[in-house]
Amino acid sequence: GAGVSQTPSNKVTEKGKYVELRCDPISGHTALYWYRQSLGQGPEFLIYFQGTGAADDSGLPNDRFFAVRPEGSVSTLKIQRTERGDSAVYLCASSAGHSETQYFGPGTRLLVL
Amino acid sequence: TQLLEQSPQFLSIQEGENLTVYCNSSSVFSSLQWYRQEPGEGPVLLVTVVTGGEVKKLKRLTFQFGDARKDSSLHITAAQPGDTGLYLCAGDGGGSNYKLTFGKGTLLTVNP
Repeated sequence: GAGVSQTPSNKVTEKGKYVELRCDPISGHTALYWYRQSLGQGPEFLIYFQGTGAADDSGLPNDRFFAVRPEGSVSTLKIQRTERGDSAVYLCASSAGHSETQYFGPGTRLLVL
Repeated sequence: TQLLEQSPQFLSIQEGENLTVYCNSSSVFSSLQWYRQEPGEGPVLLVTVVTGGEVKKLKRLTFQFGDARKDSSLHITAAQPGDTGLYLCAGDGGGSNYKLTFGKGTLLTVNP
């Protein structure tokens, strides 16, 4: 079956612009996670959804970052007023339940100029 | 804040050599996972260890979880160029959301 997909695979934007990153989880997976991986670092947790609700958003760095999952499937990570420091790979993972194996997508590489 | 430290950060070896990478923390984890990540891809789970002292083998890879569940090691026997990649350890601190705390990774290069 299809794995986790993320679009776009690459995104180049200018400082101050707004961007949306999309994640399509594995069908039927109720849990969805967003992580951010900066160059030379491991992924860092941003937010966790169980169904439609954000159960834990403690990893979001500030209020410029927001994520939604309105129908409990696809999720969108939204970044307002992008800054150069937001440049990173944004990874999405989904799992069948909150304690099950997380399957990662290929990531979206965001570059803020 | 739970932190995982991996060592070495970089490792370049010849095909056929053995190697060990380490993942250490001052915190106790409910479980610890090892992932491999290739360029342009997301991390792929290799193994999950749960019990202190547990040893798991996956072909030429041997994973060990420390008795106190604070550290882990990955040993590769007779490394091959296909083993090249970024090896990440990640800990689950327990609780209700299973969010993972990752180390910075060990970038392994196996030269033919």
